[in-house]
Amino acid sequence: NAGVTQTPKFQVLKTGQSMTLQCAQDMNHNSMYWYRQDPGMGLRLIYYSASEGTTDKGEVPNGYNVSRLNKREFSLRLESAAPSQTSVYFCASSRDRGYGYTFGSGTRLTVV
Amino acid sequence: RKEVEQDPGPFNVPEGATVAFNCTYSNSASQSFFWYRQDCRKEPKLLMSVYSSGNEDGRFTAQLNRASQYISLLIRDSKLSDSATYLCVVTGGGADGLTFGKGTHLIIQP
Repeated sequence: NAGVTQTPKFQVLKTGQSMTLQCAQDMNHNSMYWYRQDPGMGLRLIYYSASEGTTDKGEVPNGYNVSRLNKREFSLRLESAAPSQTSVYFCASSRDRGYGYTFGSGTRLTVV
Repeated sequence: RKEVEQDPGPFNVPEGATVAFNCTYSNSASQSFFWYRQDCRKEPKLLMSVYSSGNEDGRFTAQLNRASQYISLLIRDSKLSDSATYLCVVTGGGADGLTFGKGTHLIIQP
């Protein structure tokens, strides 16, 4: 009963490097989300995918791209990492928009 | 007015006490409400949904007041393990249909 699986758990990047955060869910959920969480800022939505084949911007999409590879997988890509992207990233999924989320365990990203 | 507001705390409460905190929301059209719990350096986890008639799960009780647009969480007989940040979540407002509060930090002291 894996739920939502995120990889990697930790990552250190140099400014300008790129990387992809992977997320997969096994609950047959339609909707998937990427959030970042910073101290004092709460959870902020980066991108979401309401259903397979669709993606939409959230509150803070700049510097990120996403791919909904199939119903199970939703990846987040940083093309040219910046120190401002140092954060904890959470992937989540839900049956549909507006339903309760199940979160992955998070990726702690540091950009130096 | 922010969409979802919570007192950030911290609430320092002795073990065994009862503690309650509220969350106010601005979107009167919101239909679904949730409380999530987040432990330090962990992901948020669903604690309970909040129904119009209220919801009780063991030591935890959640209430909804639509007229005043707030939800509440009551914890009875608090345990050390209840120490966490409690996030209020409301449908409507966010791009994805959910709006998260920034959380209330609860510390249960022995």
